Amino acid sequence: DTAVSQTPKYLVTQMGNDKSIKCEQNLGHDTMYWYKQDSKKFLKIMFSYNNKELIINETVPNRFSPKSPDKAHLNLHINSLELGDSAVYFCASSQDERTPQFFGPGTRLTVL
Amino acid sequence: SQKIEQNSEALNIQEGKTATLTCNYTNYSPAYLQWYRQDPGRGPVFLLLIRENEKEKRKERLKVTFDTTLKQSLFHITASQPADSATYLCALDLSGNTPLVFGKGTRLSVIA
Repeated sequence: DTAVSQTPKYLVTQMGNDKSIKCEQNLGHDTMYWYKQDSKKFLKIMFSYNNKELIINETVPNRFSPKSPDKAHLNLHINSLELGDSAVYFCASSQDERTPQFFGPGTRLTVL
Repeated sequence: SQKIEQNSEALNIQEGKTATLTCNYTNYSPAYLQWYRQDPGRGPVFLLLIRENEKEKRKERLKVTFDTTLKQSLFHITASQPADSATYLCALDLSGNTPLVFGKGTRLSVIA
Protein backbone atom coordinates (compact mmCIF):
# COMPACT_ATOMS: atom_id res chain seq x y z
CA ASP A 1 0.00 0.00 0.00
CA THR A 2 2.92 2.32 -0.77
CA ALA A 3 1.69 5.80 -1.68
CA VAL A 4 4.54 7.00 -3.92
CA SER A 5 7.04 4.42 -5.12
CA GLN A 6 10.21 4.80 -7.17
CA THR A 7 12.47 2.31 -8.88
CA PRO A 8 15.29 1.70 -8.63
CA LYS A 9 16.35 2.77 -5.14
CA TYR A 10 20.03 2.82 -6.13
CA LEU A 11 21.53 3.37 -9.55
CA VAL A 12 25.26 3.24 -10.23
CA THR A 13 26.36 3.86 -13.79
CA GLN A 14 29.17 5.13 -15.97
CA MET A 15 29.43 8.59 -17.46
CA GLY A 16 27.81 8.84 -20.86
CA ASN A 17 25.17 6.17 -20.22
CA ASP A 18 21.41 6.69 -20.48
CA LYS A 19 19.19 5.68 -17.57
CA SER A 20 15.58 5.92 -16.43
CA ILE A 21 13.89 6.24 -13.05
CA LYS A 22 10.26 5.25 -12.67
CA CYS A 23 7.66 6.70 -10.30
CA GLU A 24 4.14 5.61 -9.50
CA GLN A 25 1.56 7.01 -7.08
CA ASN A 26 -1.62 5.29 -5.95
CA LEU A 27 -3.13 8.30 -4.17
CA GLY A 28 -5.26 9.46 -7.09
CA HIS A 29 -3.36 12.76 -7.20
CA ASP A 30 -3.43 15.00 -10.26
CA THR A 31 0.03 16.55 -9.89
CA MET A 32 3.42 14.85 -9.87
CA TYR A 33 6.94 16.22 -9.48
CA TRP A 34 10.62 15.39 -9.83
CA TYR A 35 13.10 16.90 -7.38
CA LYS A 36 16.88 16.68 -7.17
CA GLN A 37 18.61 16.70 -3.77
CA ASP A 38 22.33 17.26 -4.05
CA SER A 39 25.13 16.47 -1.61
CA LYS A 40 24.39 19.66 0.32
CA LYS A 41 20.84 18.35 0.89
CA PHE A 42 19.28 21.19 -1.08
CA LEU A 43 15.96 20.02 -2.55
CA LYS A 44 15.26 21.60 -5.92
CA ILE A 45 12.27 21.17 -8.24
CA MET A 46 13.02 19.89 -11.72
CA PHE A 47 9.63 19.21 -13.31
CA SER A 48 5.98 19.27 -12.45
CA TYR A 49 3.12 17.57 -14.31
CA ASN A 50 -0.59 18.08 -13.87
CA ASN A 51 -2.85 15.46 -15.42
CA LYS A 52 -0.05 14.29 -17.73
CA GLU A 53 0.77 17.81 -18.90
CA LEU A 54 4.07 19.53 -18.16
CA ILE A 55 3.47 22.69 -16.11
CA ILE A 56 6.84 23.46 -14.56
CA ASN A 57 10.17 22.92 -16.22
CA GLU A 58 12.93 24.55 -14.22
CA THR A 59 16.36 25.21 -15.65
CA VAL A 60 17.33 21.63 -16.25
CA PRO A 61 19.62 20.39 -19.04
CA ASN A 62 17.63 18.92 -21.91
CA ARG A 63 19.41 15.61 -21.26
CA PHE A 64 16.65 15.17 -18.66
CA SER A 65 13.29 14.25 -20.13
CA PRO A 66 10.23 13.47 -18.06
CA LYS A 67 7.41 11.35 -19.42
CA SER A 68 3.96 10.87 -17.94
CA PRO A 69 2.14 7.98 -19.62
CA ASP A 70 -0.85 8.49 -17.31
CA LYS A 71 -1.83 10.44 -14.22
CA ALA A 72 -0.34 7.87 -11.85
CA HIS A 73 3.10 7.62 -13.44
CA LEU A 74 5.93 10.06 -14.03
CA ASN A 75 9.22 8.69 -15.31
CA LEU A 76 12.53 10.48 -15.69
CA HIS A 77 14.94 9.61 -18.48
CA ILE A 78 18.48 10.96 -18.40
CA ASN A 79 20.74 10.87 -21.45
CA SER A 80 24.53 11.10 -21.51
CA LEU A 81 24.95 11.02 -17.75
CA GLU A 82 27.57 13.33 -16.23
CA LEU A 83 29.37 13.25 -12.89
CA GLY A 84 27.35 16.26 -11.70
CA ASP A 85 24.14 14.32 -12.11
CA SER A 86 25.02 12.27 -9.03
CA ALA A 87 22.35 13.07 -6.45
CA VAL A 88 19.19 11.70 -4.89
CA TYR A 89 16.13 12.11 -7.10
CA PHE A 90 12.73 12.30 -5.45
CA CYS A 91 9.35 11.87 -7.04
CA ALA A 92 6.37 13.47 -5.30
CA SER A 93 2.66 13.91 -5.86
CA SER A 94 -0.11 16.17 -4.59
CA GLN A 95 -3.81 16.65 -5.18
CA ASP A 96 -3.07 19.97 -6.84
CA GLU A 97 -0.26 22.52 -6.87
CA ARG A 98 -1.38 24.15 -3.62
CA THR A 99 -1.73 21.08 -1.40
CA PRO A 100 0.93 19.18 0.58
CA GLN A 101 3.21 16.88 -1.35
CA PHE A 102 3.83 13.19 -0.74
CA PHE A 103 7.35 12.09 -1.55
CA GLY A 104 8.73 8.78 -2.72
CA PRO A 105 11.71 7.10 -1.02
CA GLY A 106 14.21 8.54 -3.48
CA THR A 107 16.63 7.11 -6.03
CA ARG A 108 20.32 7.56 -5.28
CA LEU A 109 22.11 8.00 -8.59
CA THR A 110 25.88 7.68 -8.67
CA VAL A 111 27.70 8.46 -11.90
CA LEU A 112 31.27 7.13 -12.07
CA SER B 1 17.98 38.54 -4.37
CA GLN B 2 15.50 35.96 -3.12
CA LYS B 3 16.56 33.85 -0.19
CA ILE B 4 15.11 31.32 2.20
CA GLU B 5 17.19 30.53 5.27
CA GLN B 6 16.76 28.11 8.10
CA ASN B 7 18.46 29.26 11.27
CA SER B 8 21.16 26.71 11.61
CA GLU B 9 22.29 23.57 9.93
CA ALA B 10 22.16 21.64 13.19
CA LEU B 11 20.41 22.05 16.51
CA ASN B 12 20.95 19.90 19.60
CA ILE B 13 18.52 19.95 22.49
CA GLN B 14 17.81 17.94 25.61
CA GLU B 15 14.88 15.54 25.68
CA GLY B 16 11.77 17.13 27.15
CA LYS B 17 12.69 20.67 26.07
CA THR B 18 10.98 22.67 23.35
CA ALA B 19 12.80 22.81 20.04
CA THR B 20 12.37 26.00 18.03
CA LEU B 21 13.41 26.08 14.38
CA THR B 22 13.42 29.26 12.31
CA CYS B 23 12.68 29.87 8.66
CA ASN B 24 13.41 33.36 7.31
CA TYR B 25 12.83 34.54 3.78
CA THR B 26 13.73 37.60 1.74
CA ASN B 27 12.06 39.05 -1.36
CA TYR B 28 9.33 36.42 -1.46
CA SER B 29 5.61 36.82 -0.76
CA PRO B 30 4.42 33.32 0.03
CA ALA B 31 0.73 32.56 0.14
CA TYR B 32 1.42 29.46 2.21
CA LEU B 33 4.30 27.98 4.11
CA GLN B 34 4.81 24.26 4.67
CA TRP B 35 7.01 22.27 7.02
CA TYR B 36 8.37 18.81 6.23
CA ARG B 37 10.39 16.25 8.15
CA GLN B 38 13.12 14.22 6.43
CA ASP B 39 14.82 11.20 7.96
CA PRO B 40 18.18 9.94 6.60
CA GLY B 41 17.73 7.96 3.39
CA ARG B 42 14.03 8.81 3.08
CA GLY B 43 11.83 11.33 1.33
CA PRO B 44 10.40 14.38 3.10
CA VAL B 45 7.14 13.89 4.98
CA PHE B 46 4.59 16.71 5.21
CA LEU B 47 3.87 18.00 8.72
CA LEU B 48 1.99 21.29 8.68
CA LEU B 49 0.75 23.99 6.31
CA ILE B 50 0.01 27.55 7.38
CA ARG B 51 -1.62 30.25 5.26
CA GLU B 52 -0.51 33.88 5.12
CA ASN B 53 -3.65 35.01 6.98
CA GLU B 54 -3.08 32.51 9.81
CA LYS B 55 -0.83 33.42 12.72
CA GLU B 56 -0.51 29.98 14.25
CA LYS B 57 -1.26 26.32 13.55
CA ARG B 58 -1.00 23.36 15.91
CA LYS B 59 -0.92 19.61 15.54
CA GLU B 60 -0.27 17.52 18.65
CA ARG B 61 3.17 18.58 19.95
CA LEU B 62 3.90 20.72 16.87
CA LYS B 63 3.21 24.41 16.50
CA VAL B 64 3.94 26.68 13.55
CA THR B 65 3.75 30.46 13.45
CA PHE B 66 3.86 32.68 10.38
CA ASP B 67 4.73 36.36 10.58
CA THR B 68 4.51 37.99 7.14
CA THR B 69 5.81 41.31 8.53
CA LEU B 70 8.98 39.75 9.91
CA LYS B 71 9.05 37.32 6.95
CA GLN B 72 9.56 34.47 9.33
CA SER B 73 8.05 31.18 10.39
CA LEU B 74 8.84 29.43 13.65
CA PHE B 75 8.39 25.68 14.10
CA HIS B 76 8.12 24.40 17.67
CA ILE B 77 8.23 20.85 18.98
CA THR B 78 7.21 20.70 22.62
CA ALA B 79 8.29 17.93 25.00
CA SER B 80 10.82 16.79 22.42
CA GLN B 81 11.80 13.13 22.19
CA PRO B 82 14.78 11.36 20.61
CA ALA B 83 12.36 10.11 17.93
CA ASP B 84 11.93 13.74 16.82
CA SER B 85 15.54 13.76 15.64
CA ALA B 86 15.46 14.45 11.89
CA THR B 87 15.99 17.24 9.38
CA TYR B 88 13.14 19.73 9.19
CA LEU B 89 12.54 21.63 5.96
CA CYS B 90 10.44 24.72 5.43
CA ALA B 91 8.97 25.39 2.00
CA LEU B 92 7.44 28.54 0.56
CA ASP B 93 4.37 28.25 -1.61
CA LEU B 94 4.30 31.33 -3.82
CA SER B 95 0.97 30.49 -5.56
CA GLY B 96 0.40 30.64 -9.29
CA ASN B 97 2.41 28.22 -11.37
CA THR B 98 5.53 28.61 -9.26
CA PRO B 99 7.00 25.58 -7.53
CA LEU B 100 7.57 25.14 -3.81
CA VAL B 101 10.86 26.69 -2.70
CA PHE B 102 12.58 24.61 -0.04
CA GLY B 103 15.03 25.75 2.58
CA LYS B 104 18.16 23.69 3.20
CA GLY B 105 16.75 22.32 6.42
CA THR B 106 17.79 22.18 10.06
CA ARG B 107 19.07 18.88 11.45
CA LEU B 108 17.57 18.47 14.90
CA SER B 109 19.11 16.07 17.42
CA VAL B 110 17.20 15.39 20.63
CA ILE B 111 19.52 13.99 23.25
CA ALA B 112 18.20 11.64 25.92
